[in-house]
Amino acid sequence: ELKVEQNPLFLSMQEGKNYTIYCNYSTTSDRLYWYRQDPGKSLESLFVLLSNGAVKQEGRLMASLDTKARLSTLHITAAVHDLSATYFCAGSPGSGGSNYKLTFGKGTLLTVNP
Amino acid sequence: EAQVTQNPRYLITVTGKKLTVTCSQNMNHEYMSWYRQDPGLGLRQIYYSMNVEVTDKGDVPEGYKVSRKEKRNFPLILESPSPNQTSLYFCASSLRGTGSYNEQFFGPGTRLTVL
Repeated sequence: ELKVEQNPLFLSMQEGKNYTIYCNYSTTSDRLYWYRQDPGKSLESLFVLLSNGAVKQEGRLMASLDTKARLSTLHITAAVHDLSATYFCAGSPGSGGSNYKLTFGKGTLLTVNP
Repeated sequence: EAQVTQNPRYLITVTGKKLTVTCSQNMNHEYMSWYRQDPGLGLRQIYYSMNVEVTDKGDVPEGYKVSRKEKRNFPLILESPSPNQTSLYFCASSLRGTGSYNEQFFGPGTRLTVL
């Protein structure tokens, strides 16, 4: 059974600083997702990482995947207040119906302070 | 606009009173799923459906039912709600097949309180 662990769970940053959120997963996951959730809102898809070494960037966020280490990272560059949100990573293992099931980490609550 | 819609968005009910939360998507997605989100527990899958008339249990199916009579709709049914079903519920959908990367699109959420 796939387990997904994120850390840190809480992250308070100053604007302009860099930081990384880590996502470890326990068994083979053929794809890794990152989502953002604003308070009281739904989940917004940020990145889909499909293969070892995959790197995707959007603005100040960059996600990478190392399948050998079973690790994905979400790197934040020069944080701004608008990035304050909860970030989730999720994996989907297996085949058939379970291939579509997302197993989520507990989320990282990011607060960017002026 | 491509979207997943849920109704109602907010619901307060009492123990034992049957309720249905509707979910509809207009993207012709085969796969649909229900999750619940609880503080400290993250999101957990309740049920999913690979296509019309094909449904299966997720991680926390107890106390819930679903049906998939049409491709676009996937209602979540609580036959006899209990306070431990107080939660934030999300419906999600995605295409099937390798080209879609299984990227799931989430509805706006339904906040349910069972008294």
